[in-house]
Parts: sequence; structure tokens; C-alpha cells
Amino acid sequence: DAGITQSPRHKVTETGTPVTLRCHQTENHRYMYWYRQDPGHGLRLIHYSYGVKDTDKGEVSDGYSVSRSKTEDFLLTLESATSSQTSVYFCATFNYGYTFGSGTRLTVV
Amino acid sequence: GNSVTQMEGPVTLSEEAFLTINCTYTATGYPSLFWYVQYPGEGLQLLLKATKADDKGSNKGFEATYRKETTSFHLEKGSVQVSDSAVYFCALSDDQGGSEKLVFGKGTKLTVNP
Repeated sequence: DAGITQSPRHKVTETGTPVTLRCHQTENHRYMYWYRQDPGHGLRLIHYSYGVKDTDKGEVSDGYSVSRSKTEDFLLTLESATSSQTSVYFCATFNYGYTFGSGTRLTVV
Repeated sequence: GNSVTQMEGPVTLSEEAFLTINCTYTATGYPSLFWYVQYPGEGLQLLLKATKADDKGSNKGFEATYRKETTSFHLEKGSVQVSDSAVYFCALSDDQGGSEKLVFGKGTKLTVNP
């Protein structure tokens, strides 16, 4: 969707390295979310934000942290990447409905 | 907690066949229900939604009715096309504290052959 940009679109990283994924929105929406998509699991919520500096954990938050210093940006950090974090990561915003970004495919080798 | 169970895939149909993808849910309160579609290499797009019991959501020939008595929201289409090949996700809104978190089913991959 034109209102949400995820970067990078693809990344390969080594086990144990830190990784930060970025979600940028242009619609000034209050709510932002990070989901991961894995075969056989659908999408699972990692963290979400309900305002600048206001974040909370989702269903699968272990090993992830987030930050939101500006309304438009929501960062997802893997402090020390593991192979189990190989996944496709989706950012979403909510304002009378969800809008999803195009995803970041992360491979941890 | 809230959960969504949807039909295991993959589903393979011929063009113009009838499609049903089953979805049932467990929830406290009165969630809104959604079907999302994901085309290859893309993010999720809202296909249709229903916000209260007996509502019917519809879009692009797809329909689903919110059935509170059976806690179901089955997706149907009378005549599928090759372009409908995608992964379909059933979801409910887990609106605890107003954060509007979505809970997804595992997804059903649909392939439509010419």
C-alpha cells in the first residue's frame, strides 16, 4: 500500500547479529503493528504501538523489541538474530481498518 | 483467549467451480470478523468484513455471513477464476482496550486451474 513502506524488503543476516526493520507510514495513524508470517501459523502479532513511545507486547514478542519515537516510524529490532526468526515480517496500521505493508523477508543463516 | 480455526489447505479447484473455505472462531464478547487475501509476493488485502451477527460481507463475488450461533464465518464464491488463486486468511478483531489487534487463522492456499 502506498501509505506504508517497509525497509528493507529482503535481508539475509548471520546468527547473533542485530537487525532492525523499519516501517514508515504517511497517514498519521495512531496504531501500528508488527506481525510475522510463517507457514502453518498464519500471522502472529509481535508488538504493537498505540502512540509515540507507547508500545506493548503481542503473542510472540520474545527476542524482539520495538521503538516508536515519531508517529510515522515503527522500528522492530532483533537484538541477536536466531534461525527461528527467519520469517516474513509485516507492518500494519489501523484507522477504521487495517492496512498492511508489502513485507520484509528476513533470512537468518 | 480468542482464536480462529480455518480449513486446512491447500485447495485446488477448476475454473468456475464453487468455493467454500470454512472458518470458525472462539471469542469473548462480540468481535468483528474479516477475510483477507494475499496474492503471491504481496501483503494482505482486506477482502470483506462483518461487524455483527447476521451481517453479510461481500466483495468481488465473495461472500461470508457472521453466524453467532455456530461461531462461523465461512467464505464462499459461486464461480472461481484463475485470478482468485491466493492465500486466504480468516481473522477476528481482538479489541481489548481499544487496540484493535487482529487474530488470524493459519491461512488456506487456493489454486484455481484453467
